[in-house]
Amino acid sequence: GAVVSQHPSRVICKSGTSVKIECRSLDFQATTMFWYRQFPKQSLMLMATSNEGSKATYEQGVEKDKFLINHASLTLSTLTVTSAHPEDSSFYICSAIDRGRIYEQYFGPGTRLTVT
Amino acid sequence: QKEVEQNSGPLSVPEGAIASLNCTYSDRGSQSFFWYRQYSGKSPELIMSIYSNGDKEDGRFTAQLNKASQYVSLLIRDSQPSDSATYLCAVNQAGTALIFGKGTTLSVSS
Repeated sequence: GAVVSQHPSRVICKSGTSVKIECRSLDFQATTMFWYRQFPKQSLMLMATSNEGSKATYEQGVEKDKFLINHASLTLSTLTVTSAHPEDSSFYICSAIDRGRIYEQYFGPGTRLTVT
Repeated sequence: QKEVEQNSGPLSVPEGAIASLNCTYSDRGSQSFFWYRQYSGKSPELIMSIYSNGDKEDGRFTAQLNKASQYVSLLIRDSQPSDSATYLCAVNQAGTALIFGKGTTLSVSS
């Protein structure tokens, strides 16, 4: 149980285009999902907190107009990187909290974004 | 600024030895404490969670928590080459985002 999926696992896009990443909780309802970004040899940095049915809360320094987050249902959150640039190339990881077990988070497998 | 500090390593131990990983955190309001293992290019994998002071054992892994000292540790007994990875310490309050340390790289030599 407690499986989180992400799609796609890898994506390569051209500079200036947009990319959408999906995060799904497969066997539980997630009232809250988090989006993290990890650059090579660095730790995970929180980008934003996504709550079902409300606007995402972004961390300081994260551009909300560039990283669009939609949490339309209790099992799906999406992150859209708009007008991607090479510096956006990173490993994007989502996590979700089971609303019945708020003490633990479950991570998706991550999405490797490369912007050329 | 809530922070989690870890020695970056690398920590090198021979196969069969005990590996000891340490972590300190700044937020006294933290309620939950986790150790994740991360292989290169992969998502973190939960190894241990601990919520109260003392020790918690699971197989070859033992987590220790001392809230007064704001200190969390992970012991790996009988270390195996497959344990070679980056170990991330993370803390949070229930229902909030995890705050991660920078990770300690463990290398187990056969």
